[in-house]
Amino acid sequence: SQKIEQNSEALNIQEGKTATLTCNYTNYSPAYLQWYRQDPGRGPVFLLLIRENEKEKRKERLKVTFDTTLKQSLFHITASQPADSATYLCALLRKGGYQKVTFGTGTKLQVIP
Amino acid sequence: GAGVSQTPSNKVTEKGKYVELRCDPISGHTALYWYRQSLGQGPEFLIYFQGTGAADDSGLPNDRFFAVRPEGSVSTLKIQRTERGDSAVYLCASSFDRYNEQFFGPGTRLTVL
Repeated sequence: SQKIEQNSEALNIQEGKTATLTCNYTNYSPAYLQWYRQDPGRGPVFLLLIRENEKEKRKERLKVTFDTTLKQSLFHITASQPADSATYLCALLRKGGYQKVTFGTGTKLQVIP
Repeated sequence: GAGVSQTPSNKVTEKGKYVELRCDPISGHTALYWYRQSLGQGPEFLIYFQGTGAADDSGLPNDRFFAVRPEGSVSTLKIQRTERGDSAVYLCASSFDRYNEQFFGPGTRLTVL
């Protein structure tokens, strides 16, 4: 079965620095990979989607990269702010007509003022 | 108009009882997902609807769980003979289709005593 690994330890960084979160997957190739943000007591909120044939996607201070050789996606937040503190989840849809979306366990980011 | 809504927001029940959880997706979204999320974990896939039909129910843990979407919009997740292990936050998400981002509801927190 598909397995997604995100760093389960919390990531603490100083305000203004770049936060980099990692998502590694095993077994099957994704049709796409998505990143979501989740705040306590709320549902996840979509941030970025990157497809299998894309290497990089950007949106404002966010950047996602996708390396199908390493089976890894990196999620970067530049000029981080305390308001960026949340749990970040990656999710992927397996290639080949599958419907099930698999989520990782998430990485908790704390931006320290 | 808004986003995905879920009712109730909280449900406390006794072991062995039957519960129904409701999801109102964004109008026009044909794809609908149910997930279950335990503390410190990512959303765990339960079932995916494309229109009225359950296209993938491989995540339903056992036959006590059942979901319907009779008119292709509102969906109900039904749990029979609830067990303490069913306690979790149940999330619903809708999407234009499975290749696009998901919009999550706030979740229903189910507690089985």
